[in-house]
Amino acid sequence: EDQVTQSPEALRLQEGESSSLNCSYTVSGLRGLFWYRQDPGKGPEFLFTLYSAGEEKEKERLKATLTKKESFLHITAPKPEDSATYLCAVRETSGSRLTFGEGTQLTVNP
Amino acid sequence: DGGITQSPKYLFRKEGQNVTLSCEQNLNHDAMYWYRQDPGQGLRLIYYSQIVNDFQKGDIAEGYSVSREKKESFPLTVTSAQKNPTAFYLCASRPEGLDSPLHFGNGTRLTVT
Repeated sequence: EDQVTQSPEALRLQEGESSSLNCSYTVSGLRGLFWYRQDPGKGPEFLFTLYSAGEEKEKERLKATLTKKESFLHITAPKPEDSATYLCAVRETSGSRLTFGEGTQLTVNP
Repeated sequence: DGGITQSPKYLFRKEGQNVTLSCEQNLNHDAMYWYRQDPGQGLRLIYYSQIVNDFQKGDIAEGYSVSREKKESFPLTVTSAQKNPTAFYLCASRPEGLDSPLHFGNGTRLTVT
């Protein structure tokens, strides 16, 4: 059974204070790892897909990386508007469904 | 603008009543999904459909039913058999290709008292 664990559950940063969110996964064969951002009361918004170990993707202040067991979402010099819950999900090679982690709630204080 | 529309945003029902949540997409996507989100838990898959007139149970299908009569529409019925129906319900769709990400609607918050 696919498992996805995200840590920490919650993270509070000061504006400009860089940090990383972790997503550990167990899957028989990884077809893709997905990062989403979710604002309160809204649906998740797609950020990145990573397919193989060593791959990196960047978007503004966010950079996602992937190893064989985990993915990191690095946030460089965050701003208050980066405050959201960040969700990680995996899709295995044999399936069409995503398994989601519980998310990390990020708060960036001005 | 293409997207996924979930309605209503908030829904209140009395215990023992069935309720149907609407999900409509104009993205021309074949696959559609229903997830449930509870505080402190990840999204859990209720049902999904990869093509019209076909759907499969997800991890927590008990107490729910769906239909897929049209490509654009994937309504979810929460029946009185669902023991803890109060939750945030998210509908999603996916374009062709397993590598494609899910696109989500903005959810329906259901409260049953």
